[in-house]
Amino acid sequence: SQKIEQNSEALNIQEGKTATLTCNYTNYSPAYLQWYRQDPGRGPVFLLLIRENEKEKRKERLKVTFDTTLKQSLFHITASQPADSATYLCALNLNAGNMLTFGGGTRLMVKP
Amino acid sequence: GAVVSQHPSWVICKSGTSVKIECRSLDFQATTMFWYRQFPKQSLMLMATSNEGSKATYEQGVEKDKFLINHASLTLSTLTVTSAHPEDSSFYICSAPEDRSYNSPLHFGNGTRLTVT
Repeated sequence: SQKIEQNSEALNIQEGKTATLTCNYTNYSPAYLQWYRQDPGRGPVFLLLIRENEKEKRKERLKVTFDTTLKQSLFHITASQPADSATYLCALNLNAGNMLTFGGGTRLMVKP
Repeated sequence: GAVVSQHPSWVICKSGTSVKIECRSLDFQATTMFWYRQFPKQSLMLMATSNEGSKATYEQGVEKDKFLINHASLTLSTLTVTSAHPEDSSFYICSAPEDRSYNSPLHFGNGTRLTVT
């Protein structure tokens, strides 16, 4: 069956370090992958989209990679700040159209 | 930017009553909206796809008679939880794609925390 897996354990890092979050998927070849940020009690907010023919995408302190051979996307936050603390979700379209399926999310805690 | 407004942000109701949740796209039109539910520390689970002017498409295991969806205009979709029970208590979130492209980002409402007593 198709699965999207993110590390369910919280990631704790020190302010200023680079946070790296992983999204793995199985039994599927998505045309693109999206990353979202979700704060407690709020809806997710779109961050980045990367297409299958793109190896890397950057936006300010964020960087996303997409390895279709490994079936994996990595999400990096450089020079992390306590304000980056949130849950980060990856999402794929497993079916036709723009319906997304979300991974379980990884909670990031950046300590001052 | 595109904004989705969801109302109410929280609601407490008694078992057996019905609750309506509204989802509005404020500055763009949404022919499609998605409804999710989320349990604590779990991911978003798609419940149904709301289609303007036609019937909603429900995911497997979601009772369409219990979770009524109406998408009567290009900017409003509603989810009604009928005859709510405590097990329906959850965080319900709606979203709408920014445009009609297949890889369009989704814009989410801020969710509705439903507590059924």
